[in-house]
Amino acid sequence: GAGVSQSPRYKVAKRGQDVALRCDPISGHVSLFWYQQALGQGPEFLTYFQNEAQLDKSGLPSDRFFAERPEGSVSTLKIQRTQQEDSAVYLCASSSTTSWETQYFGPGTRLLVL
Amino acid sequence: SQQGEEDPQALSIQEGENATMNCSYKTSINNLQWYRQNSGRGLVHLILIRSNEREKHSGRLRVTLDTSKKSSSLLITASRAADTASYFCATDDVTGNQFYFGTGTSLTVIP
Repeated sequence: GAGVSQSPRYKVAKRGQDVALRCDPISGHVSLFWYQQALGQGPEFLTYFQNEAQLDKSGLPSDRFFAERPEGSVSTLKIQRTQQEDSAVYLCASSSTTSWETQYFGPGTRLLVL
Repeated sequence: SQQGEEDPQALSIQEGENATMNCSYKTSINNLQWYRQNSGRGLVHLILIRSNEREKHSGRLRVTLDTSKKSSSLLITASRAADTASYFCATDDVTGNQFYFGTGTSLTVIP
């Protein structure tokens, strides 16, 4: 594909439900990043993969958040027992480098927890 | 928490005018990047300036970096209605372990 894709684009969940958000990075990109963006704010870092290795998960807000990238391409961000404060846009980005430079972002998944 | 703060929070100008937005950050950095985000969309990388650079140009964009003041500015010249978007600065610290976006400037260019 030409760019980073994310699915679903919109997700409404009842509080307590588990959700899974998918990211398809640009083919061949080694680095993959997840961010959480609250309304009117800049993105906040959640976690980072280099190939299949999760090198940094310091930004995950709680142990209800879990991310994986088992084959070094597609990644899934899972949120268990969703809470209202989890409502946000979840952005995925990929990069051909092993640094933070020049990230290509997907359109995001807008999650609303009722 | 976010490291960068941008001002103004919102800016409205007429088409053809120049737009300047500023970013301040807190720690020593490797580089600083600017991204644009159209409403409801993902971010698009605009330009990267390294900590040993003071100024960089790309088309209608001009970025400056003052590491002594821990600040950067983004100038968009001859603005167009299509430049309407939110603009974010982003920094990675010298350890390479932290990456922060600023709070963003919402730019509206009136045709």
